[in-house]
Amino acid sequence: DAGITQSPRYKITETGRQVTLMCHQTWSHSYMFWYRQDLGHGLRLIYYSAAADITDKGEVPDGYVVSRSKTENFPLTLESATRSQTSVYFCASRRDRAPGQPQHFGDGTRLSIL
Amino acid sequence: DQQVKQNSPSLSVQEGRISILNCDYTNSMFDYFLWYKKYPAEGPTFLISISSIKDKNEDGRFTVFLNKSAKHLSLHIVPSQPGDSAVYFCAASVRGSEKLVFGKGTKLTVNP
Repeated sequence: DAGITQSPRYKITETGRQVTLMCHQTWSHSYMFWYRQDLGHGLRLIYYSAAADITDKGEVPDGYVVSRSKTENFPLTLESATRSQTSVYFCASRRDRAPGQPQHFGDGTRLSIL
Repeated sequence: DQQVKQNSPSLSVQEGRISILNCDYTNSMFDYFLWYKKYPAEGPTFLISISSIKDKNEDGRFTVFLNKSAKHLSLHIVPSQPGDSAVYFCAASVRGSEKLVFGKGTKLTVNP
């Protein structure tokens, strides 16, 4: 049971470059989420998706683009990376919208933008 | 405006003793509260949750208490073990929403 996997685990890139972070889950969960974790801020929601082809903004969506053409994949793209997007990014999934369902997280991608 | 607050950035306890992690919230529309544990270089792992209609939920060494009038919840770990050393996040969900609002986390260190 692979669960939820993120790739790459580490990435270094330069400002202005496009970078895509991948997220894949094997549970067929309906919901998927992208968070960023920064010192002093905890986990902040970037985007989420309720199903294939349905996405919505979270708390900090600016500078990010998502897509969800298949239930199991939810890539996050930084179209023109900036230093302020240096962070640890976590993908999560949730089975359905039943109240109290927990989200399950991947191990994160540490992204550094020089 | 922080809706979920963990006011203690860190906590240190001795092995075998009780660890108490606290969380305050401001939104009366939260219907579930969840605790996650996070080790370095790993993702957060779900630990335990509680519905807003309950005041206590227990799972082994972990107990969560909810005081709705004070808008306060706490996670008790008894007895604490060195393997419990991690960052603990409090999270809450708004009724009808799939999203979670996270606190900033408390780093627990359990000393042998």
